[in-house]
Amino acid sequence: DTAVSQTPKYLVTQMGNDKSIKCEQNLGHDTMYWYKQDSKKFLKIMFSYNNKELIINETVPNRFSPKSPDKAHLNLHINSLELGDSAVYFCASSQVRGGNRNEQFFGPGTRLTVL
Amino acid sequence: AQSVTQPDIHITVSEGASLELRCNYSYGATPYLFWYVQSPGQGLQLLLKYFSGDTLVQGIKGFEAEFKRSQSSFNLRKPSVHWSDAAEYFCAVGPYTGTASKLTFGTGTRLQVTL
Repeated sequence: DTAVSQTPKYLVTQMGNDKSIKCEQNLGHDTMYWYKQDSKKFLKIMFSYNNKELIINETVPNRFSPKSPDKAHLNLHINSLELGDSAVYFCASSQVRGGNRNEQFFGPGTRLTVL
Repeated sequence: AQSVTQPDIHITVSEGASLELRCNYSYGATPYLFWYVQSPGQGLQLLLKYFSGDTLVQGIKGFEAEFKRSQSSFNLRKPSVHWSDAAEYFCAVGPYTGTASKLTFGTGTRLQVTL
């Protein structure tokens, strides 16, 4: 059973388009995250939701808008895509309350290429 | 501000040889430390974690790490490397408490294993 899943795995699109990436976790966790990994493999947190509430919002262009319809899902919508948005986007989840707090489980990543 | 330094960008070891990957952190409170591994084209898998207790922690795949508070280090070790260990390794630091864990990652160390 997949713990954290993302769709699509690959996304190739033109500059200026709008695209979405979806994430789902079946671990029963209460917190989900989006990370961006650039071409040099550097990982940086973008957003975090706890029980559908936005709690971490790093310095990210407002073209990026996360949405959490429920605790198990966190989607990322990107408007007006730019070349610099090309990266691998990882979703992660963790359980903040209880044991093993904040141990994050990562999805397989979505490789976004903007042409 | 929290930060993680992985001084070695790339390490090459022979199969069967021992391995040590270095990680130094800067954190204002008690850190929650992690090592993740990323195989090519894959997501991040948690190898091990440390918050408190025994400073030598055991992880999966035969890895261990030692927390040294005086040196602000959390180095990853393996006594005998297998060819399948070739991957990118990331050290991360974050808070144990709070609503969400804002993990800060190092820049990674790429491990190459020669036969």
